[in-house]
Amino acid sequence: DQQVKQNSPSLSVQEGRISILNCDYTNSMFDYFLWYKKYPAEGPTFLISISSIKDKNEDGRFTVFLNKSAKHLSLHIVPSQPGDSAVYFCAASARGEAGGTSYGKLTFGQGTILTVHP
Amino acid sequence: DTEVTQTPKHLVMGMTNKKSLKCEQHMGHRAMYWYKQKAKKPPELMFVYSYEKLSINESVPSRFSPECPNSSLLNLHLHALQPEDSALYLCASSQELFGTAYTDTQYFGPGTRLTVL
Repeated sequence: DQQVKQNSPSLSVQEGRISILNCDYTNSMFDYFLWYKKYPAEGPTFLISISSIKDKNEDGRFTVFLNKSAKHLSLHIVPSQPGDSAVYFCAASARGEAGGTSYGKLTFGQGTILTVHP
Repeated sequence: DTEVTQTPKHLVMGMTNKKSLKCEQHMGHRAMYWYKQKAKKPPELMFVYSYEKLSINESVPSRFSPECPNSSLLNLHLHALQPEDSALYLCASSQELFGTAYTDTQYFGPGTRLTVL
């Protein structure tokens, strides 16, 4: 049962354009979402997060949008740079579910490989 | 300093060997995590320690044995592993157990690439 899904295994974008990475979730208890970036042979690096009380969070070139009714979030990178080429993981947590089965855990999506061409 | 360190970087072991993976953080975090990541797959949670006590065990086989000797250190003891256990083992830490207030992310180490022959 995959509770967090990233349906696009890969995305290719030209430098300077917008990259949009998508993520869907099924567990309605998830109330906190994160995006991580991972280079080969390195651990995931935190990028940006959003709580379910918001629908948008922005940090520099990175913006995350949350649509709770659709159980969908997206990461926008503008403008995209070649150094952004990496695997991007969406992750979710049920922070409000103290003692529940998802408490204390991060559930990751399958990842999307982003390639930004010069 | 937001660094989580892991040693060794690479490990090759036979199925009868006993080895240990080490993870260290000096950020004062009270929760530490072990994940396993296979190629082209997301990280899968194995164990969670909170205040040096095992908080979550995701039904991991007993050939993996975690240990938290102190608040900065997390070990994963390996014994009688199978070739399918070959993977990248990631350690992470967070201020408190993920789910509590003021804990906004987990910080990951670079991982140990384990190969079981």
